[in-house]
Amino acid sequence: AQSVSQHNHHVILSEAASLELGCNYSYGGTVNLFWYVQYPGQHLQLLLKYFSGDPLVKGIKGFEAEFIKSKFSFNLRKPSVQWSDTAEYFCAVNAAGSGGGADGLTFGKGTHLIIQP
Amino acid sequence: GAGVSQSPSNKVTEKGKDVELRCDPISGHTALYWYRQSLGQGLEFLIYFQGNSAPDKSGLPSDRFSAERTGGSVSTLTIQRTQQEDSAVYLCASSLGVRNSPLHFGNGTRLTVT
Repeated sequence: AQSVSQHNHHVILSEAASLELGCNYSYGGTVNLFWYVQYPGQHLQLLLKYFSGDPLVKGIKGFEAEFIKSKFSFNLRKPSVQWSDTAEYFCAVNAAGSGGGADGLTFGKGTHLIIQP
Repeated sequence: GAGVSQSPSNKVTEKGKDVELRCDPISGHTALYWYRQSLGQGLEFLIYFQGNSAPDKSGLPSDRFSAERTGGSVSTLTIQRTQQEDSAVYLCASSLGVRNSPLHFGNGTRLTVT
């Protein structure tokens, strides 16, 4: 079974600061990796995903993440955050090629990001 | 188009009562998932439906929890004899159910057991 670890449960930054949220996973096989975001009062939305190919993936709103296989990591980054980035961020993993079920998404516990104006 | 719809958005119930939570997936999505989001605990997988296959119930925390999906579309999650520890946000998600298809989440039902 896979597991996901997000090291920072709460992060507070000022606007224009750079962001990096850590995500490590454990799984013996090939994985798909995801970051989801939940803005206050809204539903979970897919921010970006990695299936294969270029390990540096770009998502919406200027976010990017880099898959480092040797470190089992998929850290989320943004060069300059905005107040509107305040949200809960979830890293998730599933087995490559899965459609769900027993190989469905496993989520980390989330990182609550607060951007101060 | 329409996204995943969940109802009610909020539910307050007394300990020991039964509750039903409803999920309308995106039309055409064959896979449907229920997750529970508790404070500080992230998202916990509960149950998964794929087409006409038997559901994967491996995540249900106790036999008080059950779910069904009628006609391959709408799903109902039932919690019997609710306990205070059942208080959480219950999220439904659907997907096309094919390889690597992403999940689309509803807004969730916030359940409070008093």
